[in-house]
Amino acid sequence: DGGITQSPKYLFRKEGQNVTLSCEQNLNHDAMYWYRQDPGQGLRLIYYSQIVNDFQKGDIAEGYSVSREKKESFPLTVTSAQKNPTAFYLCAAESGTGGSYTFGSGTRLTVV
Amino acid sequence: SQQGEEDPQALSIQEGENATMNCSYKTSINNLQWYRQNSGRGLVHLILIRSNEREKHSGRLRVTLDTSKKSSSLLITASRAADTASYFCATDRGGGADGLTFGKGTHLIIQP
Repeated sequence: DGGITQSPKYLFRKEGQNVTLSCEQNLNHDAMYWYRQDPGQGLRLIYYSQIVNDFQKGDIAEGYSVSREKKESFPLTVTSAQKNPTAFYLCAAESGTGGSYTFGSGTRLTVV
Repeated sequence: SQQGEEDPQALSIQEGENATMNCSYKTSINNLQWYRQNSGRGLVHLILIRSNEREKHSGRLRVTLDTSKKSSSLLITASRAADTASYFCATDRGGGADGLTFGKGTHLIIQP
């Protein structure tokens, strides 16, 4: 059953800590994306990757970092430099042909 | 940057009625997509319409696209309680797949 797996579902972070959100796909898609969603808002693009070992900043990359060492995996690190990290984070993948996106079920990050 | 803007922000109708949501965008697009999000979950792709198409159907869904007015509409016919969700339009500007740009969504409530 092809899809995207995000973990954990819920994550709590203390002020000043870095945390890493996992995103794994078994769709064999080239392109992967990280979006942030705030309450009542649409999705904003954080980072994206079109191919292994390459990634690009999106609209709100400050305070975040990513890596793409394997095609299947695109982890997102929320660093202590991100001043307002509490949000719902969504990972997506697309085949690279300009088609529809497949989303994971999201990680809800809360700063405590 | 958020390109799409959905209208209305919220819509409440009786089960069995039709629901219409609108989306406006600002720049030229390669395609426009509609997604559904149930509360606290990931997004699910509903339908994709390309810039050279004017109308598309999928089951109870009908999407129109007017590139001259930079607008799209999503019609859900014979609504059901299970259609209660947020609906987002997203535009793909193409030419490198720099991520979809999402609107803030329409929250649809179907009253049983």
